[in-house]
Amino acid sequence: EVQLVESGGGLVQRGGSLRVACGASGFTFTKYWMTWVRQAPGKGLQWVASINQDGSEEHYVDSVKGRFTISRDNAGNSVFLQMNSVTADDSGVYYCARPSVAVASSGLVFYHYMDVWGKGTTVTVSS
Amino acid sequence: QSVLTQPPSVSGAPGQRVTISCTGSMSNIGTGYDVHWYQQIPGTAPKLLIFRNSNRPSGVPDRFSGSKSGTSASLVITGLQAEDEADYYCQSYDISLRVVFGGGTRLTVL
Repeated sequence: EVQLVESGGGLVQRGGSLRVACGASGFTFTKYWMTWVRQAPGKGLQWVASINQDGSEEHYVDSVKGRFTISRDNAGNSVFLQMNSVTADDSGVYYCARPSVAVASSGLVFYHYMDVWGKGTTVTVSS
Repeated sequence: QSVLTQPPSVSGAPGQRVTISCTGSMSNIGTGYDVHWYQQIPGTAPKLLIFRNSNRPSGVPDRFSGSKSGTSASLVITGLQAEDEADYYCQSYDISLRVVFGGGTRLTVL
């Protein structure tokens, strides 16, 4: 069964750091880009970050650039999101997802749909 | 303010047909990028419902259909059932922002 399981969420103080993780199983992890999507309480979905198969390319939404780092461990079939200097706006459920991605000959990366999602891990930033 | 615009809510009685719209711009849908739809039952993770405008993943009933035209897309649900009550999100690729979602539409089955 194809599965993504997030962990590591919790309570973190404003300005602090937290690392969330996602374990993958049931598919060849090294063949896929991986993505984090978050959802603030009562709000919609927001793409946060993505990483390519060997970890050499990363993309971020502007609001987390310089503060969050996505990484992966292919030997352990895991992807991580290191969150630093967190603010109240970073509170929410963080979902790990598997995106369908096309890379043009120019190197431009086109993101398509996300066909596998984890159940999410909740991050709460306290003041 | 989401890049893709959806109505906040729609409703319908069991058996009826409802349509959820998703309006973008020339930076995303209007350039020809595909639209995808997700269903999220409150308290659970999103689930892929429609991909590449009109394709259903295995297991999604054919009561769900999608289409795209110009800078907009639509999700149509026919033969509405109580279990369809959920939030629905559209998503596309954006030239500047990469991955963009609509703000979500809450479907209420009356």
